[in-house]
This record gives sequence, structure tokens and C-alpha cells, in this order.
Amino acid sequence: AQSVTQPDIHITVSEGASLELRCNYSYGATPYLFWYVQSPGQGLQLLLKYFSGDTLVQGIKGFEAEFKRSQSSFNLRKPSVHWSDAAEYFCAVRGTASKLTFGTGTRLQVTL
Amino acid sequence: EPEVTQTPSHQVTQMGQEVILRCVPISNHLYFYWYRQILGQKVEFLVSFYNNEISEKSEIFDDQFSVERPDGSNFTLKIRSTKLEDSAMYFCASTPSGLGANVLTFGAGSRLTVL
Repeated sequence: AQSVTQPDIHITVSEGASLELRCNYSYGATPYLFWYVQSPGQGLQLLLKYFSGDTLVQGIKGFEAEFKRSQSSFNLRKPSVHWSDAAEYFCAVRGTASKLTFGTGTRLQVTL
Repeated sequence: EPEVTQTPSHQVTQMGQEVILRCVPISNHLYFYWYRQILGQKVEFLVSFYNNEISEKSEIFDDQFSVERPDGSNFTLKIRSTKLEDSAMYFCASTPSGLGANVLTFGAGSRLTVL
């Protein structure tokens, strides 16, 4: 069965600092991988996705993620965080079944 | 940009009451989904729906739950007799067919509070 682990429940970074949110997945073949962001009281917005090809994918709002098959990881990065990036970030995996499996999320707090 | 619309945004109900959550998926999308997020927990898959029938459901989606596409635009989730543990944010999502079928577009959610 597919699963996603986000080891960091809560991360605090200063505005302007770099950010890396960790995501590890479990799936037998090459999965489809996603990062979603949820701002307070809002729905889930797609940041970026990986299906195949270039393992470094670019997303919206200056985010990028790198797929590393050897580590079963899909970490999300941003070189310089803005206060508006404070939100909850969810990594998700989709295999052959139609469902999307989410991680438990990482809450990002940005200090000024 | 096309979006998935959900109503109501917040509903409060008494335990044992029936609740219907409504969703208007993106107009050319063919696959529809419901997910839920209990406060402080992960987003969980409930059910997927295609061609007027359920294509997959989770163990959470028991006989108390049902989904329907009553017309060409709405997709509903009915909880027949609500329990306290049904309190959660419920997200509707949809995808087109083809290559885009792997990218879910989510609505803003309907928060259900069962008292």
C-alpha cells in the first residue's frame, strides 16, 4: 500500500531564510508525487507535481521539489521564504489506484 | 481559473441528523472525489466517482455515506445519520480525463460540526 511520511510536524523559519520540507513515500513503482499547501481556513492548492522526467520540478510561488528514487524522497524547497508562505504543507502520492494518499502535513511558521 | 465550488462552507448539525454536502466540480471534469480532514489530522480519501458510479472507496466510507451526481453539475456527499466523529472538513475534488486525471483540483471545503 502507498504511504507518505512527513517527519516534521512543525517548522519555524525566519523570513528570507531558506526552507526544506521533508517527504518520504512508500510505493512499489514510480509514483506520482505532489505537494499541496493549505492556508488557514482555505482548501488545498497544488504547489507542484512530479510524474516522470526531470527529477527537479518547479512549482508556483517559487517552490521546487526534487524526486530522489534512491531515498524515496520528494522534498520541497524554497530559497527565500516570505511571511505569506506560512501555512500547512502536505505531500501526497498517487499510485495505480485513483486515490491520493496524503502525509500528516508540516505546519510552517515564518517569523519576521 | 476554473474552480471547484463547495456548499455550505460550514454546517452545524445534531448527532443523528442527515447532512448533504454539495460540490460543483469543474465543468469538463469527469472524475470526482471526496476527502475529509479531521481537525489536526491528515487528509483522508473517502470515495472516488466516475461514470455515475463509485470507482473506489475507503474503509471510512461505510453505509452511512453515499454519493450522488443528481444532475450534470452537482456532486453530493450524504451522511445519513451523523456521529460526533464525523466532525471534519470535507473536501471535494475533480479531475479531467487523460493526462490531467492525476492532478486533483480541490474545493475550499465544507466544515461539518456534529454536536
